[in-house]
Amino acid sequence: AQTVTQSQPEMSVQEAETVTLSCTYDTSENNYYLFWYKQPPSRQMILVIRQEAYKQQNATENRFSVNFQKAAKSFSLKISDSQLGDTAMYFCAFMKQGDSGTYKYIFGTGTRLKVLA
Amino acid sequence: DAGVIQSPRHEVTEMGQEVTLRCKPISGHNSLFWYRQTMMRGLELLIYFNNNVPIDDSGMPEDRFSAKMPNASFSTLKIQPSEPRDSAVYFCASSRMDRALGVEKLFFGSGTQLSVL
Repeated sequence: AQTVTQSQPEMSVQEAETVTLSCTYDTSENNYYLFWYKQPPSRQMILVIRQEAYKQQNATENRFSVNFQKAAKSFSLKISDSQLGDTAMYFCAFMKQGDSGTYKYIFGTGTRLKVLA
Repeated sequence: DAGVIQSPRHEVTEMGQEVTLRCKPISGHNSLFWYRQTMMRGLELLIYFNNNVPIDDSGMPEDRFSAKMPNASFSTLKIQPSEPRDSAVYFCASSRMDRALGVEKLFFGSGTQLSVL
C-alpha cells in the first residue's frame, strides 16, 4: 500500500524568506503523480503544484517549486519570497491509477506553515 | 459551476445518534471520494466511487460507517451510532479526467465539521 509521510507537523518562516516542506512516499509503482495542496483557515483545499513521475524536470508555479527525487521517493515543496497569505496547512498527496481505471489520492498528515511578519 | 457541495457545514450531535453527511459532486465528474481530516492522521481516504460504484472502502474505520451513491449527483456518508472519536472534518471530493493533462483533477467541497458530544 502506498503511504505518504510529512515529518514536519509545524513550521514557521519570516515574510520574504524561503521555506522548504518535506514529503516522502512509499510505492512500488513507476507511473504516478504527486501534488501539494494548500488548506488555509477557510478549510478550502487549493491545488498548489503537481508533478508527473515520468518527468525529470521539477515543476514550478510562480513562487512555488518542487524538488522531486524519484529514487529517494522524496517530493519537497519550496516556497520562495514567503507571504502572509501562504500561512496554511500544506498536504502532500500521491495519486496512481487504480485497477478499474480510477484514480486514488493518498494524502499525508500535513504541515502547518506560519508566515511571520 | 457551483463546485462540490457538502451539507451541513457544521454538525453537533450526541453520542449514539445517527449522523448523515451529504455531498453533491460537480456535474460530469465520475469519481467521488470521502475523506476524514484529523490532527493526528491528516486526510484519510475513507471510500471512493467510480460511476456510482464503490471501488475501495478499505479506509472505512468500522461497520458504523457506511456510504452510498444512489446516482451521479448525490452521495451520503452515514455514521450509526456516532461516537466522540468520530469528531473530525469530513470532506467530499470529486474528479474527472483532465483531457489536456491526462490526469484526474481533484475538487474538494468545503467540508463538514462534525462534533460528537
